[in-house]
Amino acid sequence: EDQVTQSPEALRLQEGESSSLNCSYTVSGLRGLFWYRQDPGKGPEFLFTLYSAGEEKEKERLKATLTKKESFLHITAPKPEDSATYLCAVQAGPGGSYIPTFGRGTSLIVHP
Amino acid sequence: DGGITQSPKYLFRKEGQNVTLSCEQNLNHDAMYWYRQDPGQGLRLIYYSQIVNDFQKGDIAEGYSVSREKKESFPLTVTSAQKNPTAFYLCASLQGDTQYFGPGTRLTVL
Repeated sequence: EDQVTQSPEALRLQEGESSSLNCSYTVSGLRGLFWYRQDPGKGPEFLFTLYSAGEEKEKERLKATLTKKESFLHITAPKPEDSATYLCAVQAGPGGSYIPTFGRGTSLIVHP
Repeated sequence: DGGITQSPKYLFRKEGQNVTLSCEQNLNHDAMYWYRQDPGQGLRLIYYSQIVNDFQKGDIAEGYSVSREKKESFPLTVTSAQKNPTAFYLCASLQGDTQYFGPGTRLTVL
């Protein structure tokens, strides 16, 4: 059974204080690992897809990396508007239905 | 604008009543999904549909029903058999290998 564990559950940072969120996974053949941002009361917003170990993707202050067992979402010099819940999901492959397994998320609060 | 719409944003239901949540997309995506989100839990799959007139149960389908008569629409009915329906419901569709989500419907049972 595919499993995704995100840590920490909650993280409080001061504005400008860089940190990382972790997503550990076990999957029978990784098709893709996905990061989403979710604001309170809204649907998840797609951020990144990573496919293979060593891959990195960046968007503004966010950088996602992938190893064979985990992914990190690095947040550099965060701002209060980066406050949100960040969700990680993995999709097994090859073949089969596109049904990802989601983690429970990390709630990030950035204080001004 | 292309996207996924869900309505209503908030929904209140009395115990014993069925209620239908709407999900529409104009992205021409084949696959659509319904998830339930509870505080502190990951997204749990209720139903999914890969093509018109076909759908499959997810992990927590009991007490729910769906239809897929049109490519654009994938409504979810929460029946009176669902014991704890108060939750945030999310609809998604698939582009390539990535799911894109609607804004969600918050259902509260009074």
